[in-house]
Amino acid sequence: KQEVTQIPAALSVPEGENLVLNCSFTDSAIYNLQWFRQDPGKGLTSLLLIQSSQREQTSGRLNASLDKSSGRSTLYIAASQPGDSATYLCAVGYNNNDMRFGAGTRLTVKP
Amino acid sequence: AAGVIQSPRHLIKEKRETATLKCYPIPRHDTVYWYQQGPGQDPQFLISFYEKMQSDKGSIPDRFSAQQFSDYHSELNMSSLELGDSALYFCASSLRGHRPSGNTIYFGEGSWLTVV
Repeated sequence: KQEVTQIPAALSVPEGENLVLNCSFTDSAIYNLQWFRQDPGKGLTSLLLIQSSQREQTSGRLNASLDKSSGRSTLYIAASQPGDSATYLCAVGYNNNDMRFGAGTRLTVKP
Repeated sequence: AAGVIQSPRHLIKEKRETATLKCYPIPRHDTVYWYQQGPGQDPQFLISFYEKMQSDKGSIPDRFSAQQFSDYHSELNMSSLELGDSALYFCASSLRGHRPSGNTIYFGEGSWLTVV
């Protein structure tokens, strides 16, 4: 069974901290892994896409890593800001047509 | 930049009624996906289309059907609605082309369906 788990479920940090969100998956035969951000009642905004052959991707203050052998990915957010408050979803692509989502980590960055 | 457009944004229907959601993918994207996100749950894959043909099927109920039209827009038809169908329905699109390892998938803002 292809399960995706995100820990922690919720996280509250003061502004300026660096933080790491975790994603683990049971089936390592993945095509890619994508991190999304979701604001309450809104759609999903793609943050970073890592192909199965890659180890990490960076975009601004965000860095995502992928370790297929251990079934793990991390999303590193540097110098967190209140505007980063959202739910962060990890989605694992097992083929070109389907992604399995984790339940998300709800992040609150306090000013 | 153009994004994925979904309509309507909000819809209220009674049990046993029918609802249709529409999705307009990003121009030149060849793949459309539908996802359902129940309250407090993660998105669940329903169905996808590649070049107007059904590509993959997830947990879509038999009461639901979908298609992609010649202009690449897609519609999700839901019949005999149940209370449990109340959810946020997302459409997403990507440009798959011939790349085997997948592409960034872009989501719309979602359509809120409430069944009463």
